[in-house]
Amino acid sequence: GESVGLHLPTLSVQEGDNSIINCAYSNSASDYFIWYKQESGKGPQFIIDIRSNMDKRQGQRVTVLLNKTVKHLSLQIAATQPGDSAVYFCAEIVNSGYSTLTFGKGTMLLVSP
Amino acid sequence: DTEVTQTPKHLVMGMTNKKSLKCEQHMGHRAMYWYKQKAKKPPELMFVYSYEKLSINESVPSRFSPECPNSSLLNLHLHALQPEDSALYLCASSLVPHQETQYFGPGTRLLVL
Repeated sequence: GESVGLHLPTLSVQEGDNSIINCAYSNSASDYFIWYKQESGKGPQFIIDIRSNMDKRQGQRVTVLLNKTVKHLSLQIAATQPGDSAVYFCAEIVNSGYSTLTFGKGTMLLVSP
Repeated sequence: DTEVTQTPKHLVMGMTNKKSLKCEQHMGHRAMYWYKQKAKKPPELMFVYSYEKLSINESVPSRFSPECPNSSLLNLHLHALQPEDSALYLCASSLVPHQETQYFGPGTRLLVL
């Protein structure tokens, strides 16, 4: 199930389950979104991105869905594996001027064998 | 190849020391970034270099001094740091500034005593 800790929301799933990690973004002008995976002691690793002219994009075992109406982004991981255990960050950027990448708070995914 | 390298991996320094963090990428990216990340928090942007010129300084204290010797290298010079500066320092690069996917290095874990 999903729980909200003091600092980092946590999603606990069983190996083989599908996982859905959600992200609400704040800037309606954001038009490019990225999901990063960060394992303990490592830097964020690019997983998948999506531009605002799309509402769905699929990669290997991952799918990103974008709902601009409610400013919501989700990352779906199929057949979750223990190696998927990490903190997942969504990030948004506005495609104009000197806009910077803005990260969401992050969600910790824990996968039990 | 989407590799950004950072050295050292770990650094312990006293408040009177001077040290430098190094970052390197050979992807032909023309934008490089420094981020600071505290435990269980998202990365926070510190500096942006665009075509080897400093384009953004997010009100970072002067005890942090960035340097971009060429398009492949980015340094962060540290002097008179405080214990609260202890964090993971991440370097990232992107093909062009701001509006493209940023690729992160593994980070330098810094402890200030």
